[in-house]
Amino acid sequence: KAGVTQTPRYLIKTRGQQVTLSCSPISGHRSVSWYQQTPGQGLQFLFEYFSETQRNKGNFPGRFSGRQFSNSRSEMNVSTLELGDSALYLCASSLAEDGNSPLHFGNGTRLTVT
Amino acid sequence: QKEVEQDPGPLSVPEGAIVSLNCTYSNSAFQYFMWYRQYSRKGPELLMYTYSSGNKEDGRFTAQVDKSSKYISLFIRDSQPSDSATYLCAMYSSGGYNKLIFGAGTRLAVHP
Repeated sequence: KAGVTQTPRYLIKTRGQQVTLSCSPISGHRSVSWYQQTPGQGLQFLFEYFSETQRNKGNFPGRFSGRQFSNSRSEMNVSTLELGDSALYLCASSLAEDGNSPLHFGNGTRLTVT
Repeated sequence: QKEVEQDPGPLSVPEGAIVSLNCTYSNSAFQYFMWYRQYSRKGPELLMYTYSSGNKEDGRFTAQVDKSSKYISLFIRDSQPSDSATYLCAMYSSGGYNKLIFGAGTRLAVHP
């Protein structure tokens, strides 16, 4: 079974631009969540989607947004990029609606903002 | 104070050693506990998943959960150089909609 797939693997953007990252979950998984990983803050939760509905959101500004499609694939968007948005963005999928199932991660998208 | 505390290391051990990695947490609502291994330039790879107090073994790995002490551990037996990576503990509560709270990660180096 294929794992979580994230595209692209690497991105370089300049301040003020916007970016869209894509995530394809494991087949059959309907929960998709996004995390930001930085050396200083570690892994931080961005948001989670289940059946196209955002159910939970972390403490990030409104510039960070996402959506989920009917096939469970998800995208996240960051508008008006700042230097501090440089990070590894990770997507995770889970089988269960809430709990009782582990999260599986993709290899992430490395975003560099210059 | 962070919800999940994990010693960032680094931890350096000789090949064949038993490694003990630990996390403490403050939120008693956490019910599901995971250990991930992350190699450089890769995403976290799930190693162990538990949801009750006690021990769970999988090959050279043993996960231990003590909910009364809010303490979880991961033991690696017969450590190998290929185990050199960052180990992350993570947990979430029912009703949290799969929102994982991570420890800072412990960097492990196993030298031949």
